[in-house]
Amino acid sequence: GAGVSQSPSNKVTEKGKDVELRCDPISGHTALYWYRQSLGQGLEFLIYFQGNSAPDKSGLPSDRFSAERTGGSVSTLTIQRTQQEDSAVYLCASSSFRGSTDTQYFGPGTRLTVL
Amino acid sequence: DQQVKQNSPSLSVQEGRISILNCDYTNSMFDYFLWYKKYPAEGPTFLISISSIKDKNEDGRFTVFLNKSAKHLSLHIVPSQPGDSAVYFCAASDGQGGKLIFGQGTELSVKP
Repeated sequence: GAGVSQSPSNKVTEKGKDVELRCDPISGHTALYWYRQSLGQGLEFLIYFQGNSAPDKSGLPSDRFSAERTGGSVSTLTIQRTQQEDSAVYLCASSSFRGSTDTQYFGPGTRLTVL
Repeated sequence: DQQVKQNSPSLSVQEGRISILNCDYTNSMFDYFLWYKKYPAEGPTFLISISSIKDKNEDGRFTVFLNKSAKHLSLHIVPSQPGDSAVYFCAASDGQGGKLIFGQGTELSVKP
């Protein structure tokens, strides 16, 4: 079946502009995660949605970052007033959530470049 | 503070030999560990995992070892193949919220 898909694959924007990144999880997966990978770094957790529960936003770096998940499926990560330090690859993952033995499956990522 | 550490940014191995990638963690609440493999311009691909109730898990050429007392895990690839060349990330979960904590990755190069 289809894996996690993300769009766009690349996004170049000017400092101060808003951007929206989209994630389509694997069908039937109830959990959805956003991470980002800055150059030379590991993956950094941003936000996590599980079913109808309130999202875990503990990884969002500032209030310029927000995310929503509509209908329990597609998610959009929004970055307002982008800064150059926001440049990174933004990765989305989904899982069927089995608690402590959860395996997350990743999309190809969106490479964001803020000029 | 880096809760999951991969201290070797790179590793070079000859084809056919064993590759050993290491990972250390600090949080004793972590109870599930995973290894992901990442090629350039692609998302990480799940490779193998281990629960804290085990000390070894094997899947084909890949074996993960967990030493809870040392808070250390390792991934063994035997025999290594050129197609294994990629960046390998270890990740850990405390099972409380599903989020994974990743190490910084080790770039493996397997030379023919």
